[in-house]
Amino acid sequence: DAGVIQSPRHEVTEMGQEVTLRCKPISGHNSLFWYRQTMMRGLELLIYFNNNVPIDDSGMPEDRFSAKMPNASFSTLKIQPSEPRDSAVYFCASSLGPLGLFFGSGTQLSVL
Amino acid sequence: AQRVTQPEKLLSVFKGAPVELKCNYSYSGSPELFWYVQYSRQRLQLLLRHISRESIKGFTADLNKGETSFHLKKPFAQEEDSAMYYCALSVGGTSYGKLTFGQGTILTVHP
Repeated sequence: DAGVIQSPRHEVTEMGQEVTLRCKPISGHNSLFWYRQTMMRGLELLIYFNNNVPIDDSGMPEDRFSAKMPNASFSTLKIQPSEPRDSAVYFCASSLGPLGLFFGSGTQLSVL
Repeated sequence: AQRVTQPEKLLSVFKGAPVELKCNYSYSGSPELFWYVQYSRQRLQLLLRHISRESIKGFTADLNKGETSFHLKKPFAQEEDSAMYYCALSVGGTSYGKLTFGQGTILTVHP
């Protein structure tokens, strides 16, 4: 298994544009998580899904952020419209029970 | 709400010296504690978890419920241990994987 796959690896966009981040979890994992990493706030949980159903989205900063998981092998995190303060590394992770999280390589987002 | 504190943002030691990365948590129940590591240009990966009581790459961590701590220790640091280390807490149950992370500690091991 190639592990959790995220795309793109880097995204540079202008303020106001829509940004879509993609994630393919490890096959068989039933939970998927979106985290954001910044220098100021460290790693923060944005939202997580269990069996494709959103369970907790309390970490989503604003209505500009939305996430979907249409099936067990794909999830998206969308920011519309994007702002410079959204610049961060966005990680997707998946898990199966108590084995811990398996992280993707992250998407480095820069909003100019 | 649960909280994880890593008091040291930066930690520098020389090769062969002992190293201890501190982690304190606050949670009223029985949490699961983890250490994650991020080497340069690599993805964040699980180093160890307290329920396994294992030693990985020479690192150990003991959960001290009295002091609410989960410090990471290694008796003899190596240059390849240089990385960012995160302590994390899970409340378990159906929330497995919903981790609360500390701010991280950057460990630098000098030759």
